[in-house]
Amino acid sequence: EVQLVQSGAEVKKSGEALKISCKGSGYSFSSYWIGWVRQMPGKGLECMGIMWPGDSDTRYSPSFQGQVTMSVDKSTSTAYLQWSSLQASDTAMYYCARLGREGSIESPFDYWGQGTLVTVSS
Amino acid sequence: DIVMTQSPDSLAVSLGERATINCKSSQSVLYRSNNKNYLAWSQQKPGQPPKLLIYWASTRESGVPDRFSGSGSGTDFTLTISSLQAEDVAVYYCHQYHSTPITFGQGTRLEIK
Repeated sequence: EVQLVQSGAEVKKSGEALKISCKGSGYSFSSYWIGWVRQMPGKGLECMGIMWPGDSDTRYSPSFQGQVTMSVDKSTSTAYLQWSSLQASDTAMYYCARLGREGSIESPFDYWGQGTLVTVSS
Repeated sequence: DIVMTQSPDSLAVSLGERATINCKSSQSVLYRSNNKNYLAWSQQKPGQPPKLLIYWASTRESGVPDRFSGSGSGTDFTLTISSLQAEDVAVYYCHQYHSTPITFGQGTRLEIK
C-alpha cells in the first residue's frame, strides 16, 4: 500500500527556521516525482514545486522559488521542505503528494500525505 | 504558467440530482502526439487531504464510484456527478499536469440543497 506520512504540526515564531518531512513507503520512492502543495487557511491548493528523488532535480513554482528549499534522502525514502526564516504568511497546511506515473513528470498527483500544519506567529 | 479557472465557485444540488463543475485552462492541455488531455480532478473533504478521482480528463481512478465522470478536451473540461450522494459534499479541484508548474483551479464547493 502506497503511503506518504508527514511529520507533525509545528508552531513557530517569525524568523525561525523549519524543516518538515514526508516519508514514502509501499512503492519505489526514487522512481516517482514528488511534490509539495500549500493550502492556506480556507483557501485552495498551490503547487510549490516537484522533485525527482533519483538526482534531486527540482522544479520550483515561480511564486515559491527562493522562498523554500526541497530536498530528499533516498536512503530513508523521505522528502523534506524547509524554510530558513519563516513569516506569518507561511501559516498553512502543507501536503506532500506523489506524481502517479513511474518516471514521468507529466503525471497527476495521485497519493497525498496527511498534511503538516505550520503555524507562524509574529 | 497555465491558469486554471473553475466555475461555479460553489454549488448546491439536491440529493440524487446531477452536479456539474467546469474547469477551463488558459492554454490547451492536450498533447496531440498521444491525444491525451493532461487534466485531473480531485475531491477534498473537510479535514482530509485531496483524493484523486479522474485523470487524463476522463479516466476514473481505481475505486472511484461510476457516478463520477469527466469529459472535455483542449481547454474546457467538466466533472459530472450523476446522482449526488451525501458523502459527495466536498471541494473539487481540477489540476493540469501538461507543463510545470502544475497548477490547480481555485476549487468548487459542493453542498446539498
